Amino acid sequence: QSALTQPASVSGSPGQSITISCTGTSSDVGSYNLVSWYQQHPGKAPKLMIYEGSKRPSGVSNRFSGSKSGNTASLTISGLQAEDEADYYCCSYAGSSTLFGTGTKVTVL
Amino acid sequence: EVQLVESGGGLVQPGGSLRLSCAASGFTFSSYEMNWVRQAPGKGLEWVSYISSSGSTIYYADSVKGRFTISRDNAKNSLYLQMNSLRAEDTAVYYCARSDSGYDYWGQGTLVTVSS
Repeated sequence: QSALTQPASVSGSPGQSITISCTGTSSDVGSYNLVSWYQQHPGKAPKLMIYEGSKRPSGVSNRFSGSKSGNTASLTISGLQAEDEADYYCCSYAGSSTLFGTGTKVTVL
Repeated sequence: EVQLVESGGGLVQPGGSLRLSCAASGFTFSSYEMNWVRQAPGKGLEWVSYISSSGSTIYYADSVKGRFTISRDNAKNSLYLQMNSLRAEDTAVYYCARSDSGYDYWGQGTLVTVSS
């Protein structure tokens, strides 16, 4: 049960778009369309941003979008805003377990 | 309004035990799968355990298998995590999280510190 691989940090200027990758294996990300993404601000509980790869929960901005290709899932934040500065985690179903990604710190320059 | 409130965290010595609780409200608890997820200080999220809505199906991360036990009481709208043989590496904030196409609701977390 190894964590999914994410870049440690990604940065962008306000208004720009950034993409966070999440690399797993054919046993998790590649086998199921059950990747979710979470945003976590310091000292707060995680918040669901994307589920089932590309679906947005009610209330989540359409600036957040998700996709998947093979064993790699991606989260794109378009029109970057100061409030998007946070840690982001991907998560994938893996049969009888769930794996989280290593986490990515997003910095708005 | 959906609410999940964890309790039971604290300081415990290595080898000791602790029981966490998660009180649920604002939804039909018995209809939802539930999970425990933890986060060590300054580290990432780690899934710990899953329990189906009826309690008939249970999974654990390898790191806690044989030491932790998840359970639920649907009559009391409560989720539990019995933690035995605690180790320093179990030190973390423990969150309960509802499963519904992702972990859609989380509690505020309860801190467990394993130290002598």
